Amino acid sequence: DAGITQSPRHKVTETGTPVTLRCHQTENHRYMYWYRQDPGHGLRLIHYSYGVKDTDKGEVSDGYSVSRSKTEDFLLTLESATSSQTSVYFCAISELGLRERAYEQYFGPGTRLTVT
Amino acid sequence: DAKTTQPPSMDCAEGRAANLPCNHSTISGNEYVYWYRQIHSQGPQYIIHGLKNNETNEMASLIITEDRKSSTLILPHATLRDTAVYYCIVRVAGAQKLVFGQGTRLTINP
Repeated sequence: DAGITQSPRHKVTETGTPVTLRCHQTENHRYMYWYRQDPGHGLRLIHYSYGVKDTDKGEVSDGYSVSRSKTEDFLLTLESATSSQTSVYFCAISELGLRERAYEQYFGPGTRLTVT
Repeated sequence: DAKTTQPPSMDCAEGRAANLPCNHSTISGNEYVYWYRQIHSQGPQYIIHGLKNNETNEMASLIITEDRKSSTLILPHATLRDTAVYYCIVRVAGAQKLVFGQGTRLTINP
């Protein structure tokens, strides 16, 4: 299995509080991604990174920010959590980028976030 | 955007070959077909991908029709641990994401 860990694995927080999720990889892959998974919507891309300090938005980026100060860590921050952000969040990594024609993504175990 | 169509669910007996179909009739010439699976509560797992030719690895085989409008993922000797949701994905040319549909829920029965 690819060396990807996510922390925390479970979190319950209140509406309006800031939340940071961490993704850590030991594969030295260049590309990292954050997805959310909700019933009826499948996995949707939130943000991704193509290098240290290089990030871009996905299809559902509103309400989320990311940072990548080191190759191995990719942080996802909910500035002010809302109930609509209750979801399972997956981090993924890949060596080839999304702009390449062929690539494989490896996913972490997920973080279950509940906003009350 | 190229879209995929998969049956919502399938059953297969343990030890038999599981054949999962996928239709992608609007696929473009330079788009790849990918298969991932997601076992309950875990992150998706890459299985295999292909462009034109059939592909095989330690997990599965991928058969792509000559016109590339459909493909079949084959798990040659299914086990109970293969019970999962299987996603067929066509990488959208120029897009910056994998688009996961609803997939096929495969149940392997003892």
